Amino acid sequence: GAVVSQHPSRVICKSGTSVKIECRSLDFQATTMFWYRQFPKQSLMLMATSNEGSKATYEQGVEKDKFLINHASLTLSTLTVTSAHPEDSSFYICSARHFTSGGATDTQYFGPGTRLTVL
Amino acid sequence: GENVEQHPSTLSVQEGDSAVIKCTYSDSASNYFPWYKQELGKRPQLIIDIRSNVGEKKDQRIAVTLNKTAKHFSLHITETQPEDSAVYFCAASSGGYQKVTFGTGTKLQVIP
Repeated sequence: GAVVSQHPSRVICKSGTSVKIECRSLDFQATTMFWYRQFPKQSLMLMATSNEGSKATYEQGVEKDKFLINHASLTLSTLTVTSAHPEDSSFYICSARHFTSGGATDTQYFGPGTRLTVL
Repeated sequence: GENVEQHPSTLSVQEGDSAVIKCTYSDSASNYFPWYKQELGKRPQLIIDIRSNVGEKKDQRIAVTLNKTAKHFSLHITETQPEDSAVYFCAASSGGYQKVTFGTGTKLQVIP
């Protein structure tokens, strides 16, 4: 299947600082990427849909000014957690939609995730 | 929006037995139903998917069935092995951007 990378895999930061997480599709172009958050032993909760060249669409309850998303190219989306607080500690996972014209391929592939710990 | 319910939340089976996980969805516009396997601390891995124009799909020991009328879909794993132990998520998706809504997950334990 297609490969999606995510960097960093782990990050520990102090409260009040900002953290940037990168999501890359390595062998395909992704006009749409998604950002999820997963708490221990829970399901994946969609935070936002990132569309190349346009503003992200945020899910209800997700603060767009706190979780800044930029999808500047067809292979890269970034999530910046601004002024991080301990309650932002979580596992953040991105996915990239691999879509080919005609719909022969239309699958989401996940990155390996980023474990964020805010002290 | 879409709501996906998944049962059971935990499932223990003896090695070699079958495991069945069931999901329901609420949005009749959903047309794509992937299943993911997630091992502890790792990314979800797509194991099988089904589209709304198909009622059943099989891939070796894994099969998925879809009942559009009842808005039910299920994952069947036969001849379970210890390496099948993981958390399984069903999901439903629709729309041009294929936004995916996940179920709550099923922790499957296969006992050797």
